[in-house]
Amino acid sequence: KAGVTQTPRYLIKTRGQQVTLSCSPISGHRSVSWYQQTPGQGLQFLFEYFSETQRNKGNFPGRFSGRQFSNSRSEMNVSTLELGDSALYLCASSLRAYNEQFFGPGTRLTVL
Amino acid sequence: AQSVTQLDSQVPVFEEAPVELRCNYSSSVSVYLFWYVQYPNQGLQLLLKYLSGSTLVKGINGFEAEFNKSQTSFHLRKPSVHISDTAEYFCAVTSNNNDMRFGAGTRLTVKP
Repeated sequence: KAGVTQTPRYLIKTRGQQVTLSCSPISGHRSVSWYQQTPGQGLQFLFEYFSETQRNKGNFPGRFSGRQFSNSRSEMNVSTLELGDSALYLCASSLRAYNEQFFGPGTRLTVL
Repeated sequence: AQSVTQLDSQVPVFEEAPVELRCNYSSSVSVYLFWYVQYPNQGLQLLLKYLSGSTLVKGINGFEAEFNKSQTSFHLRKPSVHISDTAEYFCAVTSNNNDMRFGAGTRLTVKP
């Protein structure tokens, strides 16, 4: 069974731009969560989607948004990028909400 | 609200020595506990999990952890480490209707 895939793996943007990251969960998994990982803040929860509905949201500004499609694939969008948005963005999927999560390799976003 | 504290940010150890990575959690409800490992430039990989039942949980790569409800701990142990165990280790907690919360991570460095 294929694992969680994330595209792109690396991304370089400039301040003020926007970016869209994509995540394809493991087949059959309906829950997708997104995390931001930085050296200073560690792993921080962004949001979780289950069957196309956002069930939980972390403490991030409205510039961070996401969605989930009917095939469970998910995208997250960051608008008006700031330098501090540079991070590894990890996507994780699970069979059910609040269960064991399987992580993708991440997208490394660098904001210049 | 749930939270996780990993008591050591860095743990250096010599090859073939035993190691314990400490994790304490805080929650007012029953919890599910996890340990993940992250190698450089990769996503997180599940080492082991506690959902219910036996408090001693065995995982991959020779790791095990013990759930101690009275001390709200879930320490990770390995009797003999290898150079290849050098990585970042994350303890995580979740429960029904809550997102997964991660500790700040412990960097395990195995020296020859």
